[in-house]
Amino acid sequence: GDSVTQMEGPVTLSEEAFLTINCTYTATGYPSLFWYVQYPGEGLQLLLKATKADDKGSNKGFEATYRKETTSFHLEKGSVQVSDSAVYFCASLSGGYNKLIFGAGTRLAVHP
Amino acid sequence: GAVVSQHPSRVICKSGTSVKIECRSLDFQATTMFWYRQFPKQSLMLMATSNEGSKATYEQGVEKDKFLINHASLTLSTLTVTSAHPEDSSFYICSAIGLAGAVGTDTQYFGPGTRLTVL
Repeated sequence: GDSVTQMEGPVTLSEEAFLTINCTYTATGYPSLFWYVQYPGEGLQLLLKATKADDKGSNKGFEATYRKETTSFHLEKGSVQVSDSAVYFCASLSGGYNKLIFGAGTRLAVHP
Repeated sequence: GAVVSQHPSRVICKSGTSVKIECRSLDFQATTMFWYRQFPKQSLMLMATSNEGSKATYEQGVEKDKFLINHASLTLSTLTVTSAHPEDSSFYICSAIGLAGAVGTDTQYFGPGTRLTVL
């Protein structure tokens, strides 16, 4: 079945450091891919998405490119802030099923 | 746009009582709503999928008689935890997908979650 694998956390960075959170997927067909962010005690917020190969999703300085050849959707940000501290979830959605498949989540802690 | 609300945000109840959680899509009509459960520091576990006007589809291992789901309209789904016990304590999150041709038909928008504590 479909699955999503994320790098284990926690990831601890200093403010203004470069961030990469790896995400790979397995799926039959070509899923849509998403990154969601969860701040402490809150639900999930959609951060960005990409629906086909080579699409780049971007939002709030975060970017991720849908790479079909490596089945990856790595999240990057050039300069993180303390306010970016949260848990980040990678997810895939296969057409026709409407079921999101989540990765385990990666906790990011950014220190001043 | 695409805002989903949940009510209540936090509830504490006694063992054996029932608790109802509401999930509303505020600015779009949702054909399908989803209910998830999240344990501390873990990912989301899909409990069930509900479509307006039809019975919910439960994931394997989720007791449908314990977790009653009603999707009465295109903007409201409710989850009732019946005869709650301490092991039902968890963070419950709903999400919604819009009607075809409308906002985010391939994107789930999530509510802020409901923290249930059963004493």
